Amino acid sequence: EAQVTQNPRYLITVTGKKLTVTCSQNMNHEYMSWYRQDPGLGLRQIYYSMNVEVTDKGDVPEGYKVSRKEKRNFPLILESPSPNQTSLYFCASSMRAQSGANVLTFGAGSRLTVL
Amino acid sequence: AQKVTQAQTEISVVEKEDVTLDCVYETRDTTYYLFWYKQPPSGELVFLIRRNSFDEQNEISGRYSWNFQKSTSSFNFTITASQVVDSAVYFCALGSISSGSARQLTFGSGTQLTVLP
Repeated sequence: EAQVTQNPRYLITVTGKKLTVTCSQNMNHEYMSWYRQDPGLGLRQIYYSMNVEVTDKGDVPEGYKVSRKEKRNFPLILESPSPNQTSLYFCASSMRAQSGANVLTFGAGSRLTVL
Repeated sequence: AQKVTQAQTEISVVEKEDVTLDCVYETRDTTYYLFWYKQPPSGELVFLIRRNSFDEQNEISGRYSWNFQKSTSSFNFTITASQVVDSAVYFCALGSISSGSARQLTFGSGTQLTVLP
């Protein structure tokens, strides 16, 4: 089944404890992206990647890191999480890069709480 | 800069009523795409429709219809004879295909639709 898989789905952590949210897609998509969803703000892009080893900042990159060493994986790293990073996170992918025409396939979401 | 406005934060209707979700966008691009995604209570994001800026024909899919009006920069979504299963958050999004547009999509803030039995 074609899908984007995120883990963990739920996580409660404490301020400053490094964590990684993994994202993997099995569709050979070039483009991958991370969004966070907050009430009243919709989805805001954190980072995106147009292909292996090509990543760039989205609208809200502060406090996050990403890497794209393999085409299928795009982990989101919070080096020192803070309470304002409590949010619902979505990974998404699409076939081609640099095209707003593409339909995104989303993962199921990861709900992160930072105490 | 691109912007998508969904002015209706929450809407409640009674089952079988028709409901329209508004979406207004801003872009300087002449070629762009508009999308609607649905987020049911289970949380996943589900693609509903994509339209390009050159196709202003309205689209109907079962109880769902979309009205794209370039003159007013709007892409509204109507659910006819709403059902409880339509309860969800609905996001409108704008995609650019101009050079350097690798960010792809700008989302609106979403409209929470509640359909009461």
